[in-house]
Order: sequence, then C-alpha cells, then structure tokens
Amino acid sequence: AQSVTQLGSHVSVSEGALVLLRCNYSSSVPPYLFWYVQYPNQGLQLLLKYTTGATLVKGINGFEAEFKKSETSFHLTKPSAHMSDAAEYFCAVEGGGFQKLVFGTGTRLLVSP
Amino acid sequence: DAGVIQSPRHEVTEMGQEVTLRCKPISGHDYLFWYRQTMMRGLELLIYFNNNVPIDDSGMPEDRFSAKMPNASFSTLKIQPSEPRDSAVYFCASSLSMGGGKTQYFGPGTRLLVL
Repeated sequence: AQSVTQLGSHVSVSEGALVLLRCNYSSSVPPYLFWYVQYPNQGLQLLLKYTTGATLVKGINGFEAEFKKSETSFHLTKPSAHMSDAAEYFCAVEGGGFQKLVFGTGTRLLVSP
Repeated sequence: DAGVIQSPRHEVTEMGQEVTLRCKPISGHDYLFWYRQTMMRGLELLIYFNNNVPIDDSGMPEDRFSAKMPNASFSTLKIQPSEPRDSAVYFCASSLSMGGGKTQYFGPGTRLLVL
C-alpha cells in the first residue's frame, strides 16, 4: 500500500526566502508523485507531478520538486517566496495501474512580509 | 473549459435532514471522484466512478451516504439522515482515465455544516 508523510503541518517563511516543503512516500511499486496546492476556500490545483523520466520536475508559479528514489522523497521547493504562495500544499502518491491517489496531511505555508 | 462544477458551495442544515451535493465533471472525463476533507482525517476518497459506474465505494463511511452518476455530466452525493460529524468540505474531481500519473481536476468544494 502507498502512503505519504509530510513533515511539518505549518511552515513559515519571509517573503523572498527559500520555500522547502518536505514529502516522503512509501510505495511497493515505482510511484507517481504529485504536489497539489489549495488556496483558501478553493479546490486543489495541480502544481506539478512526476511520472517518468527527468527526476527534477518544474511546475507552475516557480515551484519545482525532485524525485529521489534512494531517499523516497519528493520535496517541493521555490527559490523565493511570494505573499501569494500562502496556501496549503498536499503531496500525493499513486502506485501505478489503476491505483487511487493517496494524499498526505498537508502543509500550510505562511509567508510574512 | 469551465472546470469541475459543484453546487451548492455552502450548505447549512440541521441534524436529521437530507443533504444532496451535486457535481458536473469536465466534459470528456471518464472518471469521477468524491472526496471529503476534515481537519481530523484530511482528504479521504469516498467513492469513484468510471463511465458512470461506481467502481470502489469502500471509502463511504456508512449507509447514510450514497452516490449516483446517472449520466456522464452529473453526479450526486447524498447524506440521509445527516449528522453533525458529517460537517466537512466535500470535493468532486474528474480525470481522463485513471492511473499512470493522470491528473485529477478538483472542483471548488461544498462546505457542509450540520447543526
């Protein structure tokens, strides 16, 4: 069975600082990995995903994530935080085939001026 | 495309009442998912459909919950009778196929409060 662990329910950064949101996964098969973002009172929106190929994945709004099989990680980064990045971020894993998405518990990103 | 459409966006009801949540998936998508989001349990998959047929309802909490998809452009999630512990945000999502890293597209959600 697949599972996802997101370290830190809240992360606070200053505007312009590096954003790092951590995600570790467990999967018995090569995983497909996703990051979704949820802005207040909105649904989830795909930021980026890893399926196959290049392990460094670039997404929308300047975010990127690197799939590291040896560390079973898929951490999300952004070089410089913007106030508009304040939201909740969810990491998710899918085990391939017709597997369901399994979401982490989410990390709320707070950005201060 | 308009994206996944859900109605109502907010629902306040009293314990014991019937609640019906509605979803219109993205045109052409053949998979539809219903999720529930709470502070305690996070995002949970309740049920999903393929070509209007329920495939897996193992996440439905109990018999008070039921879901239907009468056609490719409409689905409902019904709670009867509702209880305060059903208070949550309910999301509908759709995708073109499933698995293999396919993206699920989420609606804006229905925020349900049962008093």
